[in-house]
Amino acid sequence: DAGITQSPRYKITETGRQVTLMCHQTWSHSYMFWYRQDLGHGLRLIYYSAAADITDKGEVPDGYVVSRSKTENFPLTLESATRSQTSVYFCASTGTEINIQYFGAGTRLSVL
Amino acid sequence: ILNVEQSPQSLHVQEGDSTNFTCSFPSSNFYALHWYRWETAKSPEALFVMTLNGDEKKKGRISATLNTKEGYSYLYIKGSQPEDSATYLCAFIHGSGYALNFGKGTSLLVTP
Repeated sequence: DAGITQSPRYKITETGRQVTLMCHQTWSHSYMFWYRQDLGHGLRLIYYSAAADITDKGEVPDGYVVSRSKTENFPLTLESATRSQTSVYFCASTGTEINIQYFGAGTRLSVL
Repeated sequence: ILNVEQSPQSLHVQEGDSTNFTCSFPSSNFYALHWYRWETAKSPEALFVMTLNGDEKKKGRISATLNTKEGYSYLYIKGSQPEDSATYLCAFIHGSGYALNFGKGTSLLVTP
């Protein structure tokens, strides 16, 4: 199906484990983004990417790693999960710098 | 980190009331402002992209204005309906980048 998809939708993991959240878009959008949503903070940018092999840190990048080997995929890895990384994670993409962003359905991650 | 402020934090109105929210952002080096509508358990969906000082956009009963010189945007909802209940997010793009800086949103509840 066309669009932007995130997987898994729900994930429970333990402190110290590595977790990868997947994001895939079918529009060949150049720009992709990862946000986390926490109460009292709204949406905060973790990492973003302007094209394959180009990534930049956002507001809250510590503890996360991203890669963009293909335009359509932008996985987010928690190298050693901590309880503070319990959150809802949203991936988004857009075709131009100022155009609207299209969001995935989100991944709800719980770190126990 | 670019500070984007939204007010009020939450709003409860009766069906048929008109309402408005404010988004304040840094006025220097403005590039674009986005408004998104975010329903509970869904993904944010774009309402407007605004780039020019004095811009006015309209989508049905919802409209928005932009003042880049003083750094604010207003979102208006005319004749609120229960289905308008959602969180309304504004997001600012600074001239030096393409990442969205989100405000914390205004949560609107419209009761019959």
